[in-house]
Amino acid sequence: DAMVIQNPRYQVTQFGKPVTLSCSQTLNHNVMYWYQQKSSQAPKLLFHYYDKDFNNEADTPDNFQSRRPNTSFCFLDIRSPGLGDAAMYLCATSRHTGTGNEKLFFGSGTQLSVL
Amino acid sequence: GQNIDQPTEMTATEGAIVQINCTYQTSGFNGLFWYQQHAGEAPTFLSYNVLDGLEEKGRFSSFLSRSKGYSYLLLKELQMKDSASYLCAVRDSNYQLIWGAGTKLIIKP
Repeated sequence: DAMVIQNPRYQVTQFGKPVTLSCSQTLNHNVMYWYQQKSSQAPKLLFHYYDKDFNNEADTPDNFQSRRPNTSFCFLDIRSPGLGDAAMYLCATSRHTGTGNEKLFFGSGTQLSVL
Repeated sequence: GQNIDQPTEMTATEGAIVQINCTYQTSGFNGLFWYQQHAGEAPTFLSYNVLDGLEEKGRFSSFLSRSKGYSYLLLKELQMKDSASYLCAVRDSNYQLIWGAGTKLIIKP
């Protein structure tokens, strides 16, 4: 009954080799997020989609791109991974209500290693 | 700037009670969340507070004081499976979620 599914669970890539992480949801939520989380740190929002509207955080490097072809799927593309990009990447969804109490549903995350 | 402060690590004994504090300075306030995150896994929702006071949910309770910019998560009858990180997050006036770095809770037998 997984509601937010991320693949793969573990991803190993080489320095500079493009990599794509995927996320799908069965909740029909209109908002999808990509977070980067390093060990013992707060999740860092990279970008989010409100329906098809893409919102990039000001400090997200250009090396990170995203696609949301439909409501259910969202992809994170890292064009040229560096050693500093090794982290857990978390996809999350929520239903926008404008009331503040929208909780996020997270996928199990993709742990990215860069060699 | 916006800031969430939590202790980095706490240790407690199985069966005991532990209180994890969170203080925040944010641009506006539209609610505070607590999430639990086991090592190597995704965060899962525990509680949401937007009004002052205590919200009880089984073994877990969450308290909020908006005037003090303060919340705590209270865990009773601790079990070994409660060993995890506990993340505090505040939704600001722009509805952005500001996250704390989390408190790693270690439960000892």
